[in-house]
Amino acid sequence: EVQLVESGGGLVQPGRSLRLSCAASGFSFDDYAVHWVRQAPGKGLEWVSGISWNSGSTDYADSVKGRFFISRDNAKNSLYLQMTSLRAEDTALYYCAKAIVPATNGPIDSWGQGTLVTVSS
Amino acid sequence: DIQMTQSPSSLSASVGDRVTITCQASQDISNYLNWYQQKPGKAPKLLIYDASNLETGVPSRFSGSGSGTDFTFTISSLQPEDIATYYCQQYDNVPLTFGGGTKVEIK
Repeated sequence: EVQLVESGGGLVQPGRSLRLSCAASGFSFDDYAVHWVRQAPGKGLEWVSGISWNSGSTDYADSVKGRFFISRDNAKNSLYLQMTSLRAEDTALYYCAKAIVPATNGPIDSWGQGTLVTVSS
Repeated sequence: DIQMTQSPSSLSASVGDRVTITCQASQDISNYLNWYQQKPGKAPKLLIYDASNLETGVPSRFSGSGSGTDFTFTISSLQPEDIATYYCQQYDNVPLTFGGGTKVEIK
């Protein structure tokens, strides 16, 4: 069974940094792209970033480009999101999500339960 | 970026009713479209992939159709447990983009 468990969320002041982690299990992590998708309170889903199976390709939403950085450690079956220069509008539940292909432009089939990031002074 | 326009944003229907949601892409995405169900407080769940393929374990009352720019998601007979918000999502190109969601309620 695919399991994706996010951690690292919390309350952070505007302008500060935070690092999210996602621990994956139940599948061959290094065969698939993985993504971060967020959902602001009461709002819809917004794709944030994706990384290919071998880290050769990374993609970002315009809203986070230059501030957020995605990475993965296949030896540890883990995905990360380094978030810098955080803004109030980054407040959201951040989901880790698995694709069914190695590349970032492919369908997502599994999601974690999310970790909440609140940016506020 | 590919924009996904989903309608309606909400609907209310009776148990047993047929429910239809549409999603329009701003450019041709072939059949690179998923439909997800999200219940309150839960993560999204994949229902339909490649526009019309039912994910394993998903009840057959759910279906999807369409290609190019126009897509349809149907619940053939609405059940109480189908109360949720439904999203379409294109994966033809990054950034991956979602429709705005359709909240389905029981009348």
